[in-house]
Amino acid sequence: GAVVSQHPSWVICKSGTSVKIECRSLDFQATTMFWYRQFPKQSLMLMATSNEGSKATYEQGVEKDKFLINHASLTLSTLTVTSAHPEDSSFYICSARVQGLAGTEAFFGQGTRLTVV
Amino acid sequence: AQSVSQHNHHVILSEAASLELGCNYSYGGTVNLFWYVQYPGQHLQLLLKYFSGDPLVKGIKGFEAEFIKSKFSFNLRKPSVQWSDTAEYFCAVNANQAGTALIFGKGTTLSVSS
Repeated sequence: GAVVSQHPSWVICKSGTSVKIECRSLDFQATTMFWYRQFPKQSLMLMATSNEGSKATYEQGVEKDKFLINHASLTLSTLTVTSAHPEDSSFYICSARVQGLAGTEAFFGQGTRLTVV
Repeated sequence: AQSVSQHNHHVILSEAASLELGCNYSYGGTVNLFWYVQYPGQHLQLLLKYFSGDPLVKGIKGFEAEFIKSKFSFNLRKPSVQWSDTAEYFCAVNANQAGTALIFGKGTTLSVSS
């Protein structure tokens, strides 16, 4: 299957600093990527849809100024958590869909564990 | 908008018991349906998927799911669970069109005692 690589896999940062998470599609081009957030023992919540060459579409309740998304190329989307606070500590996962003959399937990055201290 | 409901929050079974986890979705158009598993401390793994065709889908590790269109359901089943099946199970759906995200249910925690 297609490979989505996410970096870093974990990061610890101080409160007030910004953190950038990268999501790359390694063997396919992704015009659209998706960013999710998963709190402990909870489900994946869609944060935003990242569109190559245009602005991201954010889900209701997600602050676009806090979670900056840039999709500069067909293989890279970045999520920057600006002025991070402890409540931003979470597991962030990116995903890209691949269109096949039968339908589309989502492939997920390995996730980034963010801890804000 | 799509939504997914998983009715069982926590299921506790003994080894060799049969498993059925409920999943219902709401969306009026053509959908793709998925079940994912997340073992403790690990990342999501795809168990099985339905795009079209035979509504009974077989996945990895002995799991299967049946798509019943009239009921908007995609329940996951396994005839005989093992201790190693202890994990979090997520049902997910997306519209069969480009640019749409996968929407997840809240998940079901399965605990299997040996």
